[in-house]
Amino acid sequence: GAVVSQHPSRVICKSGTSVKIECRSLDFQATTMFWYRQFPKKSLMLMATSNEGSKATYEQGVEKDKFLINHASLTLSTLTVTSAHPEDSSFYICSIPMVSETQYFGPGTRLLVL
Amino acid sequence: DAKTTQPTSMDCAEGRAANLPCNHSTISGNEYVYWYRQIHSQGPQYIIHGLKNNETNEMASLIITEDRKSSTLILPHATLRDTAVYYCIVRAGGYQKVTFGIGTKLQVIP
Repeated sequence: GAVVSQHPSRVICKSGTSVKIECRSLDFQATTMFWYRQFPKKSLMLMATSNEGSKATYEQGVEKDKFLINHASLTLSTLTVTSAHPEDSSFYICSIPMVSETQYFGPGTRLLVL
Repeated sequence: DAKTTQPTSMDCAEGRAANLPCNHSTISGNEYVYWYRQIHSQGPQYIIHGLKNNETNEMASLIITEDRKSSTLILPHATLRDTAVYYCIVRAGGYQKVTFGIGTKLQVIP
């Protein structure tokens, strides 16, 4: 069964609004979660590492004030795209690393900003 | 993480074995070989991983050369549902991020 869930699965919003995406660990406590972004026909690009109880770590070139990450509990991390613009339209995916050396990925959230 | 090289695309007939190669000539001794796949509009799915021995699970087999500089993922009986982008990733273990390359787009043909 699914290990990681994301909500919503897809969202359409107007330019200038903010959108919150949830990533939930269903069976495990996750002190770390990763957020990726994928543009059409491109590979996944890591955006940030979400750390439970502390600040997220952002990859170079990712604006921390635009992509707010909150890892409030061991089962939930949220990514908020603030003041979204059409260029933020993308497929957002979270993942949870496991002790078994693998990572489980969420089903993704498709964001379309009009 | 060590860099990997994969063919951009491959075709495979349904029911036949799909053999996906990956070169990782700069792999370090503590780095594993991981394979993930991504079906269109879905999140990536873990397939298999190994250090130096060949591995097999219910999804696939992983063959790693003795010098560990290359590997092959084998889907023994490809189905149409195996059509996806397959990513070969080399990294040390632990709670570390996964860096994705371009991957191989496998098209299973009826």
